[in-house]
Amino acid sequence: DAKTTQPPSMDCAEGRAANLPCNHSTISGNEYVYWYRQIHSQGPQYIIHGLKNNETNEMASLIITEDRKSSTLILPHATLRDTAVYYCIVRALEGSARQLTFGSGTQLTVLP
Amino acid sequence: DAGVTQSPTHLIKTRGQQVTLRCSPISGHKSVSWYQQVLGQGPQFIFQYYEKEERGRGNFPDRFSARQFPNYSSELNVNALLLGDSALYLCASSLIAGISYEQYFGPGTRLTVT
Repeated sequence: DAKTTQPPSMDCAEGRAANLPCNHSTISGNEYVYWYRQIHSQGPQYIIHGLKNNETNEMASLIITEDRKSSTLILPHATLRDTAVYYCIVRALEGSARQLTFGSGTQLTVLP
Repeated sequence: DAGVTQSPTHLIKTRGQQVTLRCSPISGHKSVSWYQQVLGQGPQFIFQYYEKEERGRGNFPDRFSARQFPNYSSELNVNALLLGDSALYLCASSLIAGISYEQYFGPGTRLTVT
């Protein structure tokens, strides 16, 4: 699976949009971009995934650049409960194992 | 519906001992994966099981083993514990290995080796 690069930390004001970037310049054509988050002392939580089109669900939006070398996770109205480590993961659906390869992630702190 | 459950929540062991961690997947999920998360790092993949067979193994020594039961629950065993095995052990379940998009994680078991 391709490697991802994320900033180690970001701050965001409560009620504002949080935009979390991720670089995945070596992504292959069959690899998806996944986002998970981990609130302190809890297990990771799935947020969203996409291949090449922008995606939106009740939690967030995922914007993937046309060349697929980077993406941005958008939390439209951040709340204090969104404070967590956010992981961007690139993962192929084909292959012998379906493990997730986590990096160090981005610590998002939502400020009141 | 209940999510992924893990037991125990916390565990303290001494170096050289053995430990067994347990995981029950979401009802209907047939695949279970185990991850180790050392403080300050992202989770690292240990094993994946699907239909009671090992489908993937991460870069962990043979002291780590696992199995999956007919009801799809799973156990992770670690022998000859080392101080470096202190970590949060996470279990994740997914509907079907290979084509399921997301894995659902349990709250983890915090293992402390002294």
